[in-house]
Amino acid sequence: GQNIDQPTEMTATEGAIVQINCTYQTSGFNGLFWYQQHAGEAPTFLSYNVLDGLEEKGRFSSFLSRSKGYSYLLLKELQMKDSASYLCAVSRADFGNEKLTFGTGTRLTIIP
Amino acid sequence: GAGVSQSPRYKVAKRGQDVALRCDPISGHVSLFWYQQALGQGPEFLTYFQNEAQLDKSGLPSDRFFAERPEGSVSTLKIQRTQQEDSAVYLCASSLEGTGQNIQYFGAGTRLSVL
Repeated sequence: GQNIDQPTEMTATEGAIVQINCTYQTSGFNGLFWYQQHAGEAPTFLSYNVLDGLEEKGRFSSFLSRSKGYSYLLLKELQMKDSASYLCAVSRADFGNEKLTFGTGTRLTIIP
Repeated sequence: GAGVSQSPRYKVAKRGQDVALRCDPISGHVSLFWYQQALGQGPEFLTYFQNEAQLDKSGLPSDRFFAERPEGSVSTLKIQRTQQEDSAVYLCASSLEGTGQNIQYFGAGTRLSVL
Protein backbone atom coordinates (compact mmCIF):
# COMPACT_ATOMS: atom_id res chain seq x y z
CA GLY A 1 0.00 0.00 0.00
CA GLN A 2 0.93 3.65 0.07
CA ASN A 3 1.08 6.08 2.97
CA ILE A 4 1.44 9.83 2.43
CA ASP A 5 1.81 12.33 5.26
CA GLN A 6 1.69 16.11 5.17
CA PRO A 7 0.76 18.73 7.78
CA THR A 8 -2.92 19.52 8.02
CA GLU A 9 -2.65 23.27 8.37
CA MET A 10 -0.01 25.99 8.06
CA THR A 11 -0.04 29.76 8.35
CA ALA A 12 2.43 32.17 6.75
CA THR A 13 2.81 35.89 6.23
CA GLU A 14 2.37 37.72 2.95
CA GLY A 15 5.73 38.26 1.26
CA ALA A 16 7.44 35.49 3.22
CA ILE A 17 8.55 31.95 2.30
CA VAL A 18 6.84 28.72 3.37
CA GLN A 19 7.88 25.08 3.00
CA ILE A 20 5.27 22.31 2.95
CA ASN A 21 6.69 18.86 3.63
CA CYS A 22 5.43 15.52 2.40
CA THR A 23 6.66 12.05 3.32
CA TYR A 24 5.58 8.88 1.60
CA GLN A 25 5.99 5.13 1.68
CA THR A 26 5.29 3.27 -1.51
CA SER A 27 6.48 0.55 -3.83
CA GLY A 28 6.80 1.07 -7.55
CA PHE A 29 7.34 4.82 -7.21
CA ASN A 30 6.72 6.61 -10.50
CA GLY A 31 6.76 10.27 -9.55
CA LEU A 32 5.49 12.83 -7.07
CA PHE A 33 3.07 15.61 -7.88
CA TRP A 34 2.01 18.77 -6.10
CA TYR A 35 -1.41 20.27 -6.77
CA GLN A 36 -3.05 23.46 -5.53
CA GLN A 37 -6.75 23.45 -4.71
CA HIS A 38 -8.80 26.49 -3.82
CA ALA A 39 -12.04 25.78 -1.99
CA GLY A 40 -14.71 24.48 -4.33
CA GLU A 41 -12.38 24.40 -7.32
CA ALA A 42 -10.43 21.85 -9.32
CA PRO A 43 -6.97 20.78 -8.17
CA THR A 44 -4.46 22.47 -10.47
CA PHE A 45 -1.04 21.07 -11.29
CA LEU A 46 1.96 22.81 -9.74
CA SER A 47 4.96 20.52 -10.09
CA TYR A 48 6.25 17.04 -10.82
CA ASN A 49 9.41 15.28 -9.56
CA VAL A 50 10.61 11.86 -10.57
CA LEU A 51 14.37 12.27 -10.02
CA ASP A 52 16.10 13.50 -6.88
CA GLY A 53 16.66 17.23 -6.66
CA LEU A 54 14.99 20.56 -6.96
CA GLU A 55 12.58 21.68 -9.67
CA GLU A 56 12.04 25.42 -9.84
CA LYS A 57 9.12 27.12 -11.52
CA GLY A 58 8.75 30.79 -10.78
CA ARG A 59 7.76 31.39 -7.17
CA PHE A 60 7.23 27.66 -6.61
CA SER A 61 9.91 24.99 -6.21
CA SER A 62 9.62 21.32 -5.37
CA PHE A 63 12.26 18.96 -4.02
CA LEU A 64 12.42 15.17 -3.98
CA SER A 65 14.58 12.64 -2.17
CA ARG A 66 13.57 9.13 -3.23
CA SER A 67 15.87 7.40 -0.73
CA LYS A 68 14.20 9.26 2.13
CA GLY A 69 10.67 9.16 0.74
CA TYR A 70 10.52 12.92 1.19
CA SER A 71 9.42 15.92 -0.80
CA TYR A 72 8.72 19.56 -0.10
CA LEU A 73 7.00 22.39 -1.88
CA LEU A 74 8.57 25.81 -1.40
CA LEU A 75 6.53 28.93 -2.02
CA LYS A 76 8.33 32.28 -2.17
CA GLU A 77 7.07 35.86 -2.07
CA LEU A 78 3.76 34.70 -0.72
CA GLN A 79 0.62 36.41 -1.96
CA MET A 80 -2.86 36.38 -0.47
CA LYS A 81 -4.08 34.33 -3.44
CA ASP A 82 -1.74 31.52 -2.36
CA SER A 83 -4.20 30.71 0.43
CA ALA A 84 -5.37 27.25 -0.63
CA SER A 85 -4.92 23.56 0.04
CA TYR A 86 -1.74 21.96 -1.29
CA LEU A 87 -1.98 18.30 -2.19
CA CYS A 88 0.97 15.94 -2.35
CA ALA A 89 0.34 12.90 -4.58
CA VAL A 90 2.37 9.85 -5.52
CA SER A 91 2.07 8.04 -8.82
CA ARG A 92 2.60 4.31 -8.98
CA ALA A 93 2.44 2.99 -12.51
CA ASP A 94 0.77 -0.35 -12.88
CA PHE A 95 0.55 -1.38 -16.50
CA GLY A 96 0.22 2.23 -17.59
CA ASN A 97 -2.33 3.12 -14.91
CA GLU A 98 -0.94 6.28 -13.35
CA LYS A 99 -3.52 6.62 -10.64
CA LEU A 100 -2.52 9.09 -7.97
CA THR A 101 -2.55 8.49 -4.24
CA PHE A 102 -3.03 11.77 -2.40
CA GLY A 103 -2.20 12.98 1.06
CA THR A 104 -4.90 14.72 3.06
CA GLY A 105 -3.70 18.12 1.86
CA THR A 106 -2.17 21.06 3.70
CA ARG A 107 -4.44 24.04 4.15
CA LEU A 108 -2.26 27.13 3.88
CA THR A 109 -3.51 30.46 5.20
CA ILE A 110 -1.67 33.66 4.24
CA ILE A 111 -2.02 36.55 6.65
CA PRO A 112 -1.22 40.20 5.85
CA GLY B 1 -12.90 21.98 -24.76
CA ALA B 2 -10.18 23.89 -22.98
CA GLY B 3 -10.39 21.87 -19.79
CA VAL B 4 -12.13 19.00 -18.07
CA SER B 5 -15.83 19.71 -17.70
CA GLN B 6 -18.09 18.05 -15.14
CA SER B 7 -21.84 18.25 -14.71
CA PRO B 8 -23.82 18.87 -12.71
CA ARG B 9 -21.70 20.97 -10.36
CA TYR B 10 -24.07 20.24 -7.49
CA LYS B 11 -26.47 17.37 -6.97
CA VAL B 12 -28.83 16.80 -4.09
CA ALA B 13 -30.31 13.32 -3.90
CA LYS B 14 -32.66 11.60 -1.51
CA ARG B 15 -31.34 8.44 0.04
CA GLY B 16 -32.09 5.52 -2.26
CA GLN B 17 -32.15 7.62 -5.43
CA ASP B 18 -29.91 6.85 -8.40
CA VAL B 19 -27.57 9.57 -9.72
CA ALA B 20 -25.41 10.00 -12.84
CA LEU B 21 -22.39 12.27 -12.96
CA ARG B 22 -20.88 13.31 -16.26
CA CYS B 23 -17.28 14.05 -17.23
CA ASP B 24 -16.06 15.60 -20.49
CA PRO B 25 -12.27 15.15 -20.63
CA ILE B 26 -9.82 17.27 -22.56
CA SER B 27 -10.12 16.41 -26.24
CA GLY B 28 -7.63 13.74 -27.27
CA HIS B 29 -6.81 12.58 -23.75
CA VAL B 30 -6.58 8.83 -23.63
CA SER B 31 -6.68 8.32 -19.87
CA LEU B 32 -9.58 9.22 -17.61
CA PHE B 33 -9.76 8.90 -13.84
CA TRP B 34 -12.52 9.29 -11.26
CA TYR B 35 -11.71 10.29 -7.68
CA GLN B 36 -13.85 10.83 -4.59
CA GLN B 37 -12.97 13.68 -2.22
CA ALA B 38 -14.48 13.87 1.24
CA LEU B 39 -14.53 17.18 3.08
CA GLY B 40 -11.06 18.11 4.32
CA GLN B 41 -9.42 15.11 2.69
CA GLY B 42 -7.38 14.45 -0.41
CA PRO B 43 -8.98 12.81 -3.44
CA GLU B 44 -9.20 9.01 -3.40
CA PHE B 45 -8.98 6.92 -6.55
CA LEU B 46 -12.12 5.22 -7.78
CA THR B 47 -11.55 3.96 -11.32
CA TYR B 48 -9.44 4.38 -14.46
CA PHE B 49 -10.14 4.18 -18.19
CA GLN B 50 -7.76 3.96 -21.09
CA ASN B 51 -9.90 4.96 -24.05
CA GLU B 52 -13.11 2.95 -23.61
CA ALA B 53 -11.51 0.18 -21.56
CA GLN B 54 -11.97 0.26 -17.81
CA LEU B 55 -8.61 -1.07 -16.68
CA ASP B 56 -8.89 -0.52 -12.96
CA LYS B 57 -12.00 -0.28 -10.80
CA SER B 58 -10.37 -1.30 -7.56
CA GLY B 59 -11.32 1.94 -5.80
CA LEU B 60 -15.07 1.71 -6.32
CA PRO B 61 -16.46 1.39 -2.77
CA SER B 62 -19.33 -0.97 -3.57
CA ASP B 63 -21.26 -2.57 -6.40
CA ARG B 64 -23.63 0.39 -6.28
CA PHE B 65 -20.95 2.38 -8.11
CA PHE B 66 -20.61 1.94 -11.86
CA ALA B 67 -18.61 3.88 -14.44
CA GLU B 68 -18.53 3.77 -18.21
CA ARG B 69 -16.82 5.48 -21.13
CA PRO B 70 -18.43 3.79 -24.13
CA GLU B 71 -16.81 5.81 -26.94
CA GLY B 72 -13.54 6.61 -25.24
CA SER B 73 -14.43 10.23 -24.58
CA VAL B 74 -17.25 11.26 -22.22
CA SER B 75 -17.54 9.23 -19.05
CA THR B 76 -20.42 8.73 -16.64
CA LEU B 77 -20.19 7.68 -13.01
CA LYS B 78 -23.43 6.20 -11.79
CA ILE B 79 -24.33 5.59 -8.18
CA GLN B 80 -27.34 3.42 -7.47
CA ARG B 81 -29.44 3.57 -4.29
CA THR B 82 -27.42 6.45 -2.86
CA GLN B 83 -26.52 6.42 0.82
CA GLN B 84 -25.53 9.29 3.09
CA GLU B 85 -21.93 8.10 3.13
CA ASP B 86 -21.81 8.72 -0.63
CA SER B 87 -21.91 12.48 0.02
CA ALA B 88 -18.63 13.88 -1.33
CA VAL B 89 -17.11 15.73 -4.25
CA TYR B 90 -16.55 13.50 -7.27
CA LEU B 91 -13.59 14.62 -9.36
CA CYS B 92 -12.76 13.58 -12.88
CA ALA B 93 -9.27 13.91 -14.35
CA SER B 94 -7.78 13.20 -17.75
CA SER B 95 -4.26 12.80 -19.06
CA LEU B 96 -2.75 12.54 -22.48
CA GLU B 97 -1.76 8.89 -22.43
CA GLY B 98 -1.39 5.98 -20.12
CA THR B 99 2.35 5.52 -20.25
CA GLY B 100 5.10 7.62 -18.84
CA GLN B 101 4.60 10.34 -16.29
CA ASN B 102 1.69 12.40 -17.47
CA ILE B 103 0.00 15.29 -15.74
CA GLN B 104 -3.59 14.71 -14.73
CA TYR B 105 -5.90 17.66 -15.34
CA PHE B 106 -8.90 17.86 -13.06
CA GLY B 107 -12.42 19.12 -13.44
CA ALA B 108 -14.05 21.23 -10.74
CA GLY B 109 -16.05 18.23 -9.57
CA THR B 110 -19.63 17.38 -8.74
CA ARG B 111 -20.63 17.95 -5.13
CA LEU B 112 -23.11 15.24 -4.19
CA SER B 113 -25.24 15.64 -1.09
CA VAL B 114 -27.41 12.69 -0.08
CA LEU B 115 -30.19 13.55 2.35
